[in-house]
Amino acid sequence: AQSVTQLGSHVSVSEGALVLLRCNYSSSVPPYLFWYVQYPNQGLQLLLKYTTGATLVKGINGFEAEFKKSETSFHLTKPSAHMSDAAEYFCAVRSRGSQGNLIFGKGTKLSVKP
Amino acid sequence: DVKVTQSSRYLVKRTGEKVFLECVQDMDHENMFWYRQDPGLGLRLIYFSYDVKMKEKGDIPEGYSVSREKKERFSLILESASTNQTSMYLCASSPNGLGKNSPLHFGNGTRLTVT
Repeated sequence: AQSVTQLGSHVSVSEGALVLLRCNYSSSVPPYLFWYVQYPNQGLQLLLKYTTGATLVKGINGFEAEFKKSETSFHLTKPSAHMSDAAEYFCAVRSRGSQGNLIFGKGTKLSVKP
Repeated sequence: DVKVTQSSRYLVKRTGEKVFLECVQDMDHENMFWYRQDPGLGLRLIYFSYDVKMKEKGDIPEGYSVSREKKERFSLILESASTNQTSMYLCASSPNGLGKNSPLHFGNGTRLTVT
């Protein structure tokens, strides 16, 4: 069965520092890949998605992610963290040909220190 | 923009009560989903529906049922609420996703406490 692993349940960075949130999936066939962000007491908002084509995907709020097939990874990065980036981030996958459900990782809570 | 509306942000219910969580989407999406979210466990799929009057079990359907009488509305029902169903419940919708790359659009969630 498809699964998603997010390494690190909590990540803390200083304002202005690089943000790196890790996501690995288990599939021999590259799935569709998504990153979502959740601010406190809100639903999930789509940051970016990878389907086909260019392996570096740009999303909202300055985030980007790179699909690496050889590493079965889809890590999320942002060059310079802002206080407003403090939130929980979820990586999700959908198997190609599946009927719509996403399988989510357990989430990484990002803290940004002033 | 797609709007997914969950009728309640916060609910407090007693053990044994029948609880209804309502979700409405305004984009004519075929697919609708109910997840529950617990700290350290991420999102887990309870039930989903690809069309009116059809439903499929997700990973954790025990203790829950659903209803989809109209395309835009998907209800989650706790037949007899228990304290272990205290959680955040998230509804989502998407257009027909068979082989497609459409993301899920989420509501703001309902935080349910069962006492």
